[in-house]
Amino acid sequence: AQKITQTQPGMFVQEKEAVTLDCTYDTSDPSYGLFWYKQPSSGEMIFLIYQGSYDQQNATEGRYSLNFQKARKSANLVISASQLGDSAMYFCAMREGNSGNTPLVFGKGTRLSVIA
Amino acid sequence: NAGVMQNPRHLVRRRGQEARLRCSPMKGHSHVYWYRQLPEEGLKFMVYLQKENIIDESGMPKERFSAEFPKEGPSILRIQQVVRGDSAAYFCASSPQFQRGKFIRGTDTQYFGPGTRLTVL
Repeated sequence: AQKITQTQPGMFVQEKEAVTLDCTYDTSDPSYGLFWYKQPSSGEMIFLIYQGSYDQQNATEGRYSLNFQKARKSANLVISASQLGDSAMYFCAMREGNSGNTPLVFGKGTRLSVIA
Repeated sequence: NAGVMQNPRHLVRRRGQEARLRCSPMKGHSHVYWYRQLPEEGLKFMVYLQKENIIDESGMPKERFSAEFPKEGPSILRIQQVVRGDSAAYFCASSPQFQRGKFIRGTDTQYFGPGTRLTVL
């Protein structure tokens, strides 16, 4: 079974509009962390935002916010006021457990295209 | 404050040759992870190392692939006798020591290097 599911292979959004990128996850571990990374065409992986399973509030980092719905096991990324530079692949990832540093499991990604 | 460094950025090898990929973690980070990204795919975990120790190599093929993180110097991912299927982007990530029982924002975040794009001819 997929641990991280990103159901939108591609998304389009008008410049200055908000967009939501979907991510659902599957784990039985009560302790986990959820991450979003951006991969522009240049190829590097840029960390955007983090949400811990015990965090009471949704994470926010500038124009990025994470809509964390624990009961639904979803961690959608919201980008407000889209810019042309937001065009990129976006990956949702999860780390499970509280036993130490553990590897990330990634979804297949969503390609976001911002239209002028 | 330098980020994660990887070199080379691009590497071309012929079938049967060896590929050596290097990764220097962020200053203060003692944990290194290697991931592989095939075209149009997400990243797949390969191996997790601390200084002089392999912690988890469950994602690394048993043959031809090896990794090390010596006491001094960068982490090395080594692929012997490369085949066309090894062509991919290889990313290294680093993180600081995780603090058991504490969820301190940032301590379990992995920061990625720019990747090495390996092409096997």
